Amino acid sequence: DIQMTQSPSSLSASVGDRVTIACRASQSISIYLNWYQQKPGKAPKLLIYASSSLHSGVPSRFSGSGSVTDFTLTISSLQPEDFATYYCQQTYTTPRTFGQGTKVEIK
Amino acid sequence: EVQLLESGGGLVQPGGSLRLSCAASGFTFSSSAMNWVRQAPGKGLEWVSTISGGGGDTYHADSVKGRFTISRDNSKNTLYLQMNSLRDEDTAVYYCARNGGTWYAFDIWGQGTMVTVSS
Repeated sequence: DIQMTQSPSSLSASVGDRVTIACRASQSISIYLNWYQQKPGKAPKLLIYASSSLHSGVPSRFSGSGSVTDFTLTISSLQPEDFATYYCQQTYTTPRTFGQGTKVEIK
Repeated sequence: EVQLLESGGGLVQPGGSLRLSCAASGFTFSSSAMNWVRQAPGKGLEWVSTISGGGGDTYHADSVKGRFTISRDNSKNTLYLQMNSLRDEDTAVYYCARNGGTWYAFDIWGQGTMVTVSS
């Protein structure tokens, strides 16, 4: 199975900060990498698919990059509604594994 | 409006069975592969199962293989998860989610249904 490792597990940031979350796959997944945002008590929402493609309706302050095994989610200017947990996921093969999550908290 | 609505969760004893349903609306259900994803209390997301649009291909996580079965009824626009031999560690919120397009990202999610396995 492909293991997905996110870093950091949590971070504290202020409104307006630039935030970067890393995700590493245990083997090559090309660009089959997606990012999700989840707020407490709610279902996850798709942000980015295919490493860098913005899902419909997602603000342009979110961006993704990377290929093969190393990927990054960047929030260019953190907004109050962005405080949440973020998950990466590979859909290169089954099982469709998720990273362990990165919780973005208010500093 | 594109929507997924899960139902069927509840409290069940270890060793028991439960069937979850996910009603789809607003899109061509039979054209979309579908998934189940679960989240134990305070934990991360865990992929459970995937089924192709026609229902002929299914995939399950090792943790549920032989106990859970994913299926669908395209005439009813409904996805199912039959869960047998339930264990304490199956306690979680269960989400259904649609495969969106070429890259298989999960683009539409239901609100989730809680399954609690406890004596």
